[in-house]
Amino acid sequence: NAGVTQTPKFRVLKTGQSMTLLCAQDMNHEYMYWYRQDPGMGLRLIHYSVGEGTTAKGEVPDGYNVSRLKKQNFLLGLESAAPSQTSVYFCASSYSRWGEQYFGPGTRLTVT
Amino acid sequence: GENVEQHPSTLSVQEGDSAVIKCTYSDSASNYFPWYKQELGKGPQLIIDIRSNVGEKKDQRIAVTLNKTAKHFSLHITETQPEDSAVYFCAASKGYGGSQGNLIFGKGTKLSVKP
Repeated sequence: NAGVTQTPKFRVLKTGQSMTLLCAQDMNHEYMYWYRQDPGMGLRLIHYSVGEGTTAKGEVPDGYNVSRLKKQNFLLGLESAAPSQTSVYFCASSYSRWGEQYFGPGTRLTVT
Repeated sequence: GENVEQHPSTLSVQEGDSAVIKCTYSDSASNYFPWYKQELGKGPQLIIDIRSNVGEKKDQRIAVTLNKTAKHFSLHITETQPEDSAVYFCAASKGYGGSQGNLIFGKGTKLSVKP
């Protein structure tokens, strides 16, 4: 039981490049989330999904897109990376909307 | 929307002492308050949570208290150990019971326990 995994662990992008972060969970959770963590800012919700084929905006969605084509996977895309998107990105999943969220190990993204 | 304030941002204690981290929230409709611990290089992990119909909850050396009237809740760690050193996040949600609401996190407290 791997829990929540994220790919890749590290990535460096140049301004304007695009990339996709992959999150996978093997706990059959309906709910999945993408957060970004910046120094002194805590965790801020980017997008979330309440089930396969559904997505919704969180607190800071601008510049990101997401897709949930399969229940176990949640993809986060950056179409045109900006230095302001330099951050650590965490994916999480949960069985219920309010219950325990299980976090992945994070992806450290640097945009130069 | 909901706003969660967390204090202090850093806390240093001697091994064996107690540590207290406090959070306040703004939305009186919030009804679920979890605490997450994040060790260096890892994702956050739930350590304890409390619902709005409970005033206090304990789990071995950790406890959480909730004051709904004042809209604040606190994490108490007794007999601290070096392995308690981590960043702790509080959060609030009004999603308990099926209502809509995402977790809103505080900015975190870096706890250092000195041997």
